[in-house]
Amino acid sequence: DARVTQTPRHKVTEMGQEVTMRCQPILGHNTVFWYRQTMMQGLELLAYFRNRAPLDDSGMPKDRFSAEMPDATLATLKIQPSEPRDSAVYFCASGLVASGNYGYTFGSGTRLTVV
Amino acid sequence: AQSVTQLDSQVPVFEEAPVELRCNYSSSVSVYLFWYVQYPNQGLQLLLKYLSGSTLVKGINGFEAEFNKSQTSFHLRKPSVHISDTAEYFCAVSGPETSYDKVIFGPGTSLSVIP
Repeated sequence: DARVTQTPRHKVTEMGQEVTMRCQPILGHNTVFWYRQTMMQGLELLAYFRNRAPLDDSGMPKDRFSAEMPDATLATLKIQPSEPRDSAVYFCASGLVASGNYGYTFGSGTRLTVV
Repeated sequence: AQSVTQLDSQVPVFEEAPVELRCNYSSSVSVYLFWYVQYPNQGLQLLLKYLSGSTLVKGINGFEAEFNKSQTSFHLRKPSVHISDTAEYFCAVSGPETSYDKVIFGPGTSLSVIP
């Protein structure tokens, strides 16, 4: 089965450090999402891309977060500087929306701990 | 904007008993509806989706859901649960305001199957 690959699976970092999370979407999928999951807020949509172009990043703290798709096989989410409140599980998901086949495939997530 | 309510945060049920997980959405327009499952330390997996057509939707692992427009509900059911169904279940919605791209998730229902 095709899968969305996220790296790293776990990351522990000190407050103030830069964190980069990577996602390899399923080949051929044209839409990529970044979600954040916490106990308090649940699943929050941070940003998403269509054909590598950013469509919406309104859910993302602009001052410290940035999301990019340098090519069709890689999406990145960066936090600089990181803060303890950024501790969460970050999920990437991809889908082929144009086909009408709504319903996305999620990666296994990056568990980020900022100390 | 769409939103999703999952009325039960936790549902304990005995093995082989039936279960219903409730989901209500708030929107006056046509929406797409989804149920996802999340097993411990994993990403979300699509169980089933309603886009149009028959209001009874069958998904994987023996689950089904019924779309009820008048009650704005999309409850998930399974006639006989197994231990392996213990997981977090998320109802989700997308709508025309964002071309059905953005999927908004409910807070989740934790299903615990008791032996």
